Amino acid sequence: QKEVEQDPGPLSVPEGAIVSLNCTYSNSAFQYFMWYRQYSRKGPELLMYTYSSGNKEDGRFTAQVDKSSKYISLFIRDSQPSDSATYLCAMTAHTGGFKTIFGAGTRLFVKA
Amino acid sequence: DAGITQSPRYKITETGRQVTLMCHQTWSHSYMFWYRQDLGHGLRLIYYSAAADITDKGEVPDGYVVSRSKTENFPLTLESATRSQTSVYFCASMGDAYGYTFGSGTRLTVV
Repeated sequence: QKEVEQDPGPLSVPEGAIVSLNCTYSNSAFQYFMWYRQYSRKGPELLMYTYSSGNKEDGRFTAQVDKSSKYISLFIRDSQPSDSATYLCAMTAHTGGFKTIFGAGTRLFVKA
Repeated sequence: DAGITQSPRYKITETGRQVTLMCHQTWSHSYMFWYRQDLGHGLRLIYYSAAADITDKGEVPDGYVVSRSKTENFPLTLESATRSQTSVYFCASMGDAYGYTFGSGTRLTVV
C-alpha cells in the first residue's frame, strides 16, 4: 500500500464548477499538508499549506485536513480554464529529520 | 533573477556517460532537494541537503551523486547513465516553512 493515494483522473469539469480533489494517507506522523499545482512542462508550485487538522481558505481555494480520517481535500470554487493543471498533494512528517511524500497527482481539465 | 534555476532544460545522453544536472538558488535556503518525476510514480526524492557539506539519501539514490560545497548550488551527477534514469528531474529548495519551491525541471533522455 502506498503511503499516499491520489486518484490520477483525469477530471473534466465545466467552467464555473466546484472541483474537489482528494488524497488519503496512511502514516499518522504526517503533520504538514500541502497542495501543489503543476502546469505542463513546468515545476510544481505551492498552492496551499496547512498544519494539522482544519480548513484554510485562499481566494477560490480551500484546503481541508481531517487527520482522524487521514484524508485531505482541495476545493476550487468557480473553476477557470486556467486552473487546468495537475494537482499534487504532499505531506511532511518531522520526526528526527523530515520526510515528505507526494501524491502522484490528479489531472484537471476545466472546459470553457 | 531571484528563484531557483536548473540547467540544462533538456539533455540527451548515451548509456554509460556521466551527466551533471545543475541547480542554483538565490535565497540562501538551507534545504535543497533533488526529485525525479515519472509517470505512475509521481515525485520521488533522490537526495537532499540540509546545509552546505551536509547531504543525505532519499528514496531512490542509487546511481546518483550529489555535492553541496556552497549553499546556493546543488548539482546532481549521474555517474554512468542508464535508460532507467530517463526522467524529468526537479530541484527544489525550502525556506522557513515546509513548502518547497521547485525549479522548472531538466528533461533527461538516456539512449
